Amino acid sequence: RKEVEQDPGPFNVPEGATVAFNCTYSNSASQSFFWYRQDCRKEPKLLMSVYSSGNEDGRFTAQLNRASQYISLLIRDSKLSDSATYLCVPPDGDSSYKLIFGSGTRLLVRP
Amino acid sequence: DAGVTQSPTHLIKTRGQQVTLRCSPKSGHDTVSWYQQALGQGPQFIFQYYEEEERQRGNFPDRFSGHQFPNYSSELNVNALLLGDSALYLCASSRRDSTYNSPLHFGNGTRLTVT
Repeated sequence: RKEVEQDPGPFNVPEGATVAFNCTYSNSASQSFFWYRQDCRKEPKLLMSVYSSGNEDGRFTAQLNRASQYISLLIRDSKLSDSATYLCVPPDGDSSYKLIFGSGTRLLVRP
Repeated sequence: DAGVTQSPTHLIKTRGQQVTLRCSPKSGHDTVSWYQQALGQGPQFIFQYYEEEERQRGNFPDRFSGHQFPNYSSELNVNALLLGDSALYLCASSRRDSTYNSPLHFGNGTRLTVT
């Protein structure tokens, strides 16, 4: 099993829709998680940090399910500007300062 | 407050050549990580430097080496370039935190093309 697995998508949704992405991880020792957003040909930018069971920031909610070893990102009221690739990042086990990225989930929000 | 800066932004090299990429971390950050991102893939971890030493390493050959300087800036060196080394090389900085892992802040990247 890969360390981090994400559905590559693309998820094609209309403006205003609610969309959710899941990310499964194999290392149960992970304590903190991050979601990054990456626009085409740009660098990843931090979207959310999750240090406990979840975090909410405006239209974005991230949740952690330790028992099933996945984290999710929920986007409510999708905007055209939300179109991007979303990268899930749990840290790597004993090497807790090394962050391993998933391949990303691509989101397309259409008018 | 300057963020992470990388140079150069673009580079074209020939197979077999050597390349050096440079990175200055965000102010207040002491750890530098390097990632390689091929088109359509997530960033792949190359290695991480802290206190001028390589602390973690991903699954990359010895052709990939690096250095961190006392001012926390870093270099990534790739020898004997292969066509497959063509990618976006991302530098990310962070601050060591004993409690939680601090998130990475990325530079704009260096796009390397090997012909």
